[in-house]
Parts: sequence; C-alpha cells; structure tokens
Amino acid sequence: TQLLEQSPQFLSIQEGENLTVYCNSSSVFSSLQWYRQEPGEGPVLLVTVVTGGEVKKLKRLTFQFGDARKDSSLHITAAQPGDTGLYLCAGDNNAGNMLTFGGGTRLMVKP
Amino acid sequence: NAGVTQTPKFRILKIGQSMTLQCTQDMNHNYMYWYRQDPGMGLKLIYYSVGAGITDKGEVPNGYNVSRSTTEDFPLRLELAAPSQTSVYFCASSYSGGLDEQFFGPGTRLTVL
Repeated sequence: TQLLEQSPQFLSIQEGENLTVYCNSSSVFSSLQWYRQEPGEGPVLLVTVVTGGEVKKLKRLTFQFGDARKDSSLHITAAQPGDTGLYLCAGDNNAGNMLTFGGGTRLMVKP
Repeated sequence: NAGVTQTPKFRILKIGQSMTLQCTQDMNHNYMYWYRQDPGMGLKLIYYSVGAGITDKGEVPNGYNVSRSTTEDFPLRLELAAPSQTSVYFCASSYSGGLDEQFFGPGTRLTVL
C-alpha cells in the first residue's frame, strides 16, 4: 500500500504570512495532485505535477514535485483568509485507476 | 451541467439498518469513485468503476457494495450499518483515471447510532 503523509496536520497563521506544507512518501508516484477542500464541500483540484523537480505556480501558490517523485510541497505567499481550508495531496498508484490521498493539512488564516 | 450530485445530504441510521447513497454525474465520465472521509482526515477509497458494468474494490470496501448499470449512476449500498461507518461520503468522477481531474460531489454526512 502506498502511503502519503502530510505535515503539519494543522496550521494557524496570520494574514500576510508565508507557509509551506509537505507531502511525503517512501513510494514513487507517477504524478501527484493537490486539492483544496472547504468546509461542507468536496475537494477541488488545484494542480497536477508529473515530472520530478517540476515547479508550478498558481498565483500566490507554488507547488513542487521532488526530484525522486516521492514528495511534494505547497508554498503559499502572503496568505489570505480565503486560503483557509483543508489541503490534500493525492498520488497516482501507477496503475492509473485510483488515487491515494494523504491525511491533509488544515490551514486557518486569521485576518 | 450539474456536475456530480449526491443524495441525501444528511442521514441518521440505526445499527443494522441499510441504505443506498445515490450518485449521478452528467459529464459523461467513464470513471466514478466512492470515498469516505472521517473527521479531520483525508479520503479513503471504498470502490471505483472504470465504466458501466465494471466495479472494483478500493482500500476500505468491507461493509459496502456498489453497482454501475449506467454511465451516469454509481450508487453505494450499506447493508448492515455499523457505528464505524459514521463518516462523510464523497462520490467523484473523472473522464479517465490517473492524472485526470476528479470532480467531487458535495458529500453525504452519515451517522450510525
């Protein structure tokens, strides 16, 4: 079974601060996705990374896929209250038919 | 397009009761999935389907059954509800597996007492 561990589990910061959350595994993934989930709703895809070392930017969010394709990070610059939510990483199991999700990082950004 | 719809939104069951969670998608997606999410946790895959008539077990299938008679519908059946099945259930769909974006429904919050 491929496992994804996310850290930290909880993060509470003030508006304007920077933060990084991590997604780590001992297994290699062919691709990795990041989702954001707001309370009472289903997750929504933010980004997919497929190449080792790849960096993708989405406005104030920067996603990086590790060189060995075993880990990923999400960096948020100048966090805003609208960034509050549960951030989930998910890896493709290489068979192409299912995703393995990490436990998530719950982020709260206070005004 | 409505996307992925789930019914009901909330349900309380007594131990031993059965129920079916409904999921429908109108995006003509081939793949459909059922996940459960326990409080403060990530998602665990219960069952998935790669097309009508084809289903397969995920990580936590025990206590559940599914069917996929049409492309649009993927109901999840709980036969003998147990307190351990208290969770939020999400249905999702994607055109293909792997890299393809999964679109999630709003979830069904189930409590078994």
